[in-house]
Amino acid sequence: QSVLTQPPSVSGAPGQRVTISCTGSSSNIGAGYDVHWYQQLPGTAPKLLIYGNNNRPSGVPDRFSGSKSGTSASLAITGLQAEDEADYYCQSYDSSLSGSVVFGGGTKLTVL
Amino acid sequence: QVQLQESGPGLVKPSETLSLTCSVSGGSIGSYFWSLIRQPPGKGLEWIGCIYYSGNTNYNPSLNSRVTISVDTSKNQFSLKLSSVTAADTAVYYCARQGYNGWYFDLWGRGTLVTVSS
Repeated sequence: QSVLTQPPSVSGAPGQRVTISCTGSSSNIGAGYDVHWYQQLPGTAPKLLIYGNNNRPSGVPDRFSGSKSGTSASLAITGLQAEDEADYYCQSYDSSLSGSVVFGGGTKLTVL
Repeated sequence: QVQLQESGPGLVKPSETLSLTCSVSGGSIGSYFWSLIRQPPGKGLEWIGCIYYSGNTNYNPSLNSRVTISVDTSKNQFSLKLSSVTAADTAVYYCARQGYNGWYFDLWGRGTLVTVSS
């Protein structure tokens, strides 16, 4: 059971827009900690996609965007492409206990 | 550019200690936090802990009693020791660099699979 909750899977056709939600609580996202997103292609290491809720590292297409509100965050992908098929993880910091980095359980994106 | 490389035995026996080293190349280990993150086969990501180049550490509370992370700045390396391993510790272990201004990971190693089995 992950501290951050993501849907196990989402899907969309090429060119469409999809969103992936990430729900936390008052000790992580709701406490004001930033949300970050990673893309993991099959058999590879995760890659930073969005940091600080809505910032893209150099080289990440502007088709990817992030947002945060209250105890939740979302990743939006527009103009869906076949190469976007991957697992996506949200991540934040949780201040409960002694504090810890926490991840969502991951969402498998299928491009139909 | 800066790269991370994990190294260690691919097989560890139950109850023994898992040891893994992360080597930083193409840049200095200084001025950053460095983390270890693992991913059991077919499952999600779990943060193990992090270390600053000065030696300050922060561990996942769920693993705190079994984890030690150390740094060797002369070798540009940091290392993980995870004691009393069980099959549940079987995972791909990743080294990662923490972003300079937050709790995120902007650089990852390719990962190494560690299997716990007799």
